[in-house]
Amino acid sequence: DAGVTQSPTHLIKTRGQQVTLRCSPKSGHDTVSWYQQALGQGPQFIFQYYEEEERQRGNFPDRFSGHQFPNYSSELNVNALLLGDSALYLCASIWGFDSYNEQFFGPGTRLTVL
Amino acid sequence: SQQGEEDPQALSIQEGENATMNCSYKTSINNLQWYRQNSGRGLVHLILIRSNEREKHSGRLRVTLDTSKKSSSLLITASRAADTASYFCATEREYGNKLVFGAGTILRVKS
Repeated sequence: DAGVTQSPTHLIKTRGQQVTLRCSPKSGHDTVSWYQQALGQGPQFIFQYYEEEERQRGNFPDRFSGHQFPNYSSELNVNALLLGDSALYLCASIWGFDSYNEQFFGPGTRLTVL
Repeated sequence: SQQGEEDPQALSIQEGENATMNCSYKTSINNLQWYRQNSGRGLVHLILIRSNEREKHSGRLRVTLDTSKKSSSLLITASRAADTASYFCATEREYGNKLVFGAGTILRVKS
């Protein structure tokens, strides 16, 4: 049973560019959350998708957007990249939007903005 | 902004010793969870303790929760070099699975 997978592993972009990160949830999971982890910090919640809709959003600008597909996989898009967007982006999946279940995290995508 | 703070920021111990990490948070919570992260990669869930629980065990891990003090501790007994990692506490205020993480404790276990 595959866990949460993310692609790509690493990515280098320049300021002003746009980037798309991808996440496939663990088998059986229908809810996907995205987190940004800056170097030396804890992860910060970006947003969560359930039933192809954004259900919750953290304190991130509209440059950060996402999508969830019918197969529950998800994309995170960041427009007009800034140097400060350099971080590890983590995807987490869980079964059920309002459940008490454990979240499973993927290995992350390391984004570097030059 | 982050919900809580871990203490200490870094901890270095010898193999076989116990490691204790503390976490404080600011608001009421539904549950508190501890995660491990190796070398800046994905997070591994260690243990979840609900707000109506005071102590929980899982193998060499012992977690306590004091909601009156808004604090939690993670004890790793008989540490091993493989326990070297960053440890994060995360709180969930209500159903909905939005986790609010602290800044983490870096644990180094020397063999």
